[in-house]
Amino acid sequence: EPEVTQTPSHQVTQMGQEVILRCVPISNHLYFYWYRQILGQKVEFLVSFYNNEISEKSEIFDDQFSVERPDGSNFTLKIRSTKLEDSAMYFCASSGGGAYSGNTIYFGEGSWLTVV
Amino acid sequence: DQQVKQNSPSLSVQEGRISILNCDYTNSMFDYFLWYKKYPAEGPTFLISISSIKDKNEDGRFTVFLNKSAKHLSLHIVPSQPGDSAVYFCAASANNYGQNFVFGPGTRLSVLP
Repeated sequence: EPEVTQTPSHQVTQMGQEVILRCVPISNHLYFYWYRQILGQKVEFLVSFYNNEISEKSEIFDDQFSVERPDGSNFTLKIRSTKLEDSAMYFCASSGGGAYSGNTIYFGEGSWLTVV
Repeated sequence: DQQVKQNSPSLSVQEGRISILNCDYTNSMFDYFLWYKKYPAEGPTFLISISSIKDKNEDGRFTVFLNKSAKHLSLHIVPSQPGDSAVYFCAASANNYGQNFVFGPGTRLSVLP
């Protein structure tokens, strides 16, 4: 069964460092997302990406964050100058159609980021 | 602003009995709802969905009921199994609302043997 894959599964980084989280969405999907879950809190939307551009972002997704689809298969989340409060599980997801089309969104296993 | 609410943070059920997980929403524009199961340190796994044109959708042991007038949906698991123990999230999306799915805070289900 096709799946969304993420790397790394766990990364520890020092405060102020840059981090890149990588994702390979399901191959025929067109919409890509990043969500995060801070320990003990709810799953929060960060950003959605379609047709090589950001289609929507939340207020969490400030200038510290960026996304990129550098080639036909990878989808990356870059966090510049990490802060302690960026420690969370980051989930990549993809869907065949947009959220409004009744499509299902499929999640990767997550990348656990610890900022120390 | 919690647009999707799951007011029970946890639920315990005996194996073989029915588990009922509830979800309420406030945004009347939502027209598509999904349930996900999440084990610790894993990504959410899609379980079942329902469109607002329906009031029930069934898949094996899982049934989702939607009451649009009450802005309420529920997930029924019958019979419950110990492997069902996980956190369950409901999520909602809407035509022309945006490109994101809005998640509830989750309910931790424990199925006791």
